[in-house]
Amino acid sequence: QSVLTQPPSASGTPGQRVTISCSGSSSNIASNTVNWYQHLPGTAPKLLIYSNDQRPSGVPDRFSGSKSGTSASLAIRGLQSEDEADYYCATWDDSLNGVIFGGGTKLTVL
Amino acid sequence: EVQLVESGGGLIQPGGSLRLSCAASGFTFSTYNMNWVRQAPGKGLEWVSYITSSSGTIYYADSVKGRFTISRDNAKNSLSLQMNSLRAEDTAVYYCARDHMYSSGAGFDYWGQGTLVTVSS
Repeated sequence: QSVLTQPPSASGTPGQRVTISCSGSSSNIASNTVNWYQHLPGTAPKLLIYSNDQRPSGVPDRFSGSKSGTSASLAIRGLQSEDEADYYCATWDDSLNGVIFGGGTKLTVL
Repeated sequence: EVQLVESGGGLIQPGGSLRLSCAASGFTFSTYNMNWVRQAPGKGLEWVSYITSSSGTIYYADSVKGRFTISRDNAKNSLSLQMNSLRAEDTAVYYCARDHMYSSGAGFDYWGQGTLVTVSS
């Protein structure tokens, strides 16, 4: 059971906007920045968002991140079939003195 | 082009040892903090260990503390993970991952393709 809680699944149709939540606590999300990853089976995970809301170069602006208190969210607008993947949030935890990942959310594009 | 290439995975019996390596190229390895992250079959991502650019600070996940040792050789652009007392639950694909320069933690901007470690008798 992960310290960061994500919904196990999410879905949407092409063109829709989808959000994935990540819930934590005062020792992790509230006091550290949040990062988001996209992971397709058999490939290396890809950094989508770092420092809560920053996109690395090459990541489309359809992807956005936000954080408030002990929760964070990843939003994907204009959903595309290639967005079907597993999505993970990650942050540092001050109590554990280490990086923690959410349990992951499997996004299905209907 | 940034490249991270892991090696050293394989089948090992419980209680055995294995050493993973990660060869880095395409960037100034000595200026970046590095990590190991793993994914067990059918499970999510799990961070394993972190080492700063100078090896001055090292952290481990509780699940591997006392059994795994991370190290690096900046002269050889290489990151290593010595894994001892291996257990079945250590079975996973192991990735090396680079810290994003402007991330304040847990932001890994480049990953290798991973190496599979299977612990089984």
